[in-house]
Amino acid sequence: DTEVTQTPKHLVMGMTNKKSLKCEQHMGHRAMYWYKQKAKKPPELMFVYSYEKLSINESVPSRFSPECPNSSLLNLHLHALQPEDSALYLCASSQDLEWPQHFGDGTRLSIL
Amino acid sequence: GNSVTQMEGPVTLSEEAFLTINCTYTATGYPSLFWYVQYPGEGLQLLLKATKADDKGSNKGFEATYRKETTSFHLEKGSVQVSDSAVYFCALLVANAGGTSYGKLTFGQGTILTVHP
Repeated sequence: DTEVTQTPKHLVMGMTNKKSLKCEQHMGHRAMYWYKQKAKKPPELMFVYSYEKLSINESVPSRFSPECPNSSLLNLHLHALQPEDSALYLCASSQDLEWPQHFGDGTRLSIL
Repeated sequence: GNSVTQMEGPVTLSEEAFLTINCTYTATGYPSLFWYVQYPGEGLQLLLKATKADDKGSNKGFEATYRKETTSFHLEKGSVQVSDSAVYFCALLVANAGGTSYGKLTFGQGTILTVHP
């Protein structure tokens, strides 16, 4: 059982839709992360939040917009995505940036 | 820069066989090393970790020792089970002299393990 909860588990959207992915943790962790994972590949870092502030954006296209409303919650807002954005989106959290990261089960996103 | 090289798979073993998955790294600062496992349809689970040279991480029968002299962190298990079938990722988190890592994990390419009864 994972302590990082991601919703929804699956999402299918058209290229003109707007949707959001949600991630929640109640472990008191102060760092949270978004990753993108394509099939048979390792996760690729997208964003890092530390103490609710964005600390790293790995040159992610602006059609992905992260938000950290509070220390337990991380959102990823999606708009005008492309078919190549279809992937598994993983959220992770850690006690601080130097601590091991704990992952959720991901949202499998399909863009039509 | 920082990088992780993992043994290419897939690896196919019979139940109760001995497992080794090789992992070597290059790092420009002070590394911590991790093994993650990903079961089909799931996210990554932290399997074990080591934060300084000669540390041995262990969990669920898996072990790995952080060898600074060979820049390696090989994963081993004495007797694998069918339920160990998964993808295994070696990962590196590098801190600078001030102890800051910025949270940027560097992953190896992953090794697919299949265990047959």
